[in-house]
Formats: sequence, structure tokens, C-alpha cells
Amino acid sequence: DAGVTQSPTHLIKTRGQHVTLRCSPISGHKSVSWYQQVLGQGPQFIFQYYEKEERGRGNFPDRFSARQFPNYSSELNVNALLLGDSALYLCASSPVLTGELFFGEGSRLTVL
Amino acid sequence: QQQVKQSPQSLIVQKGGISIINCAYENTAFDYFPWYQQFPGKGPALLIAIRPDVSEKKEGRFTISFNKSAKQFSLHIMDSQPGDSATYFCAAMEYGNKLVFGAGTILRVKS
Repeated sequence: DAGVTQSPTHLIKTRGQHVTLRCSPISGHKSVSWYQQVLGQGPQFIFQYYEKEERGRGNFPDRFSARQFPNYSSELNVNALLLGDSALYLCASSPVLTGELFFGEGSRLTVL
Repeated sequence: QQQVKQSPQSLIVQKGGISIINCAYENTAFDYFPWYQQFPGKGPALLIAIRPDVSEKKEGRFTISFNKSAKQFSLHIMDSQPGDSATYFCAAMEYGNKLVFGAGTILRVKS
């Protein structure tokens, strides 16, 4: 069975640019969450979507936005990139609003 | 605000030894406590998890011990192997599926 897939795996942007990261959840999973993992730290919660509705938002600026599509895939958008946005962006899916999250391998974003 | 405190930051264990990682939490609304294992360049993988109505859970060589009154939980890796060398994260969740992670422990098992 396919796990959580994310794209792109790596990307390099410059300050001020915009980025879109994509996530396909495990088949049958209706909840998608996004986390930011800065090097050497634990992941930090950004967003959670369930049945295409935002169910939670972490302490991130409005430059960060996300959405979930009818097929339960999701996009994370970050505008006006800053150097501090350089991180591994992780997508996780779960069947329903349970504790068991399955993570993808992440999208490594470098902002120059 | 660091809601889940994890220690130690790094750990070196001999092959066959016991690795112990500790976490403490503050929010009594947390009701699910997973441990994740992460290898370089990979996403975190769920290792084992526990709910606060149980004091211990064992899966193979991995055991979670949970102390609700002390608001602490720990991961024990028995018979540690070089393949266990990774970064381990404890986490906690309250209803709604938002995970709060600890800062991580880098485990190195020496052969």
C-alpha cells in the first residue's frame, strides 16, 4: 500500500517567493495535517484538515495557508518566503480524528 | 512554550544495552502519547503509543512506561541494536489530532 506521498522532495527558493507543497494521504484517510521541522528540532504543527475543513491551526503567520481537496489530497502554500522558512515540511494523514498519524518523507525547502 | 520536555538530547548505548528516553508534559488534557522514530532524510515513523489509562505498553523490544500522576512517560529499548540508531521523538496529543513533539533524542548504538 502506498504511504503518504509528498512533492516536491526538495526545492530551493529565494526570499519573497511563493511555494506550494503537495500531499497525497494514504488511501481511505480523510485527515491531513502539516508540520514544519526545522533542523535539529521536533516537528511543529501548522494545519489540520478533516473532510476538507480546517480543524486546527498552529502558531504560524498568515503567510501560511492550506487547503484540502475533494480527493483528500492537500496543498500547503507559503507566501513571501523568509530565510527562517527553510525547513522540512511534513504531511501526515490519519483515517479519522484519531491519534495515529502517518507521516510522509517531507519536502525539504531551502530559502536563499 | 515547550509543552513536552524530552531528555536526554543525545544518548550513546552499547549494542545489547537498554536505551531509555524520558519525557514530561504539562497539559493534563493530553490523552495520547506516541513515540516516533526518524532516520536522516526520512519522515517520522510511529513506533509505539500509549493512552493514560494504561501504565505500560510493550511491543517487541520497545516499552512505554507512563506515570500519570507525575506527568511523565518514557521509552525503553531493550537489546539495543545498531539499526536502532536514529532520532526519537516523544509527542502528546489532546483531542483534535494536533501533536506536540518533544525536541528529540539522537540515539547511537555502538556495535
